[in-house]
Amino acid sequence: GAGVSQSPSNKVTEKGKDVELRCDPISGHTALYWYRQSLGQGLEFLIYFQGNSAPDKSGLPSDRFSAERTGGSVSTLTIQRTQQEDSAVYLCASSGWGYTDTQYFGPGTRLTVL
Amino acid sequence: GIQVEQSPPDLILQEGANSTLRCNFSDSVNNLQWFHQNPWGQLINLFYIPSGTKQNGRLSATTVATERYSLLYISSSQTTDSGVYFCAVSAMYSGGGADGLTFGKGTHLIIQP
Repeated sequence: GAGVSQSPSNKVTEKGKDVELRCDPISGHTALYWYRQSLGQGLEFLIYFQGNSAPDKSGLPSDRFSAERTGGSVSTLTIQRTQQEDSAVYLCASSGWGYTDTQYFGPGTRLTVL
Repeated sequence: GIQVEQSPPDLILQEGANSTLRCNFSDSVNNLQWFHQNPWGQLINLFYIPSGTKQNGRLSATTVATERYSLLYISSSQTTDSGVYFCAVSAMYSGGGADGLTFGKGTHLIIQP
């Protein structure tokens, strides 16, 4: 595709519900990243995939967060039992071959937990 | 982890003015990018510049890796340049850590007509 796409663009959910966020990277990009942006924490890195594997998951905020990538393309970020502090904009990025390469960002998913 | 400091935090200029934004980082890097976040929240790539100098129209950037800083220059500012400018880096020696970009807090630029 022309750029990184994310869906949904907005998600409002109730505390305690599970949510799934989707990212479609630029076609052919092997590396994929998730970040989140919130007023209190700024932009923070969550997880990086090289192909389908994530070498380090320590950036995920809690064990309620998980991410997977299948077929070296689409990735989903799942948040279980959402809390109000999970409210943020979740951004996905992709790059051609790895973290020393230019990262291109998607438009983000704005998550609001009521 | 690596620390990224941007200055100034806020900058208000008149249309046509020039500006210099600075990014200091605490360790060697293998990736440095400048982004412009527009009012709709989209992060737009400006430069990939872990070292050296690049120019793109009215914008240019210089990174002096040995002294651990980068500068973004905006000349002849336009109102559409308004927004938040972020510097983001990836540490060269992450010790097997996260491998994502570490962002500064940004410079909020307002260009008045």
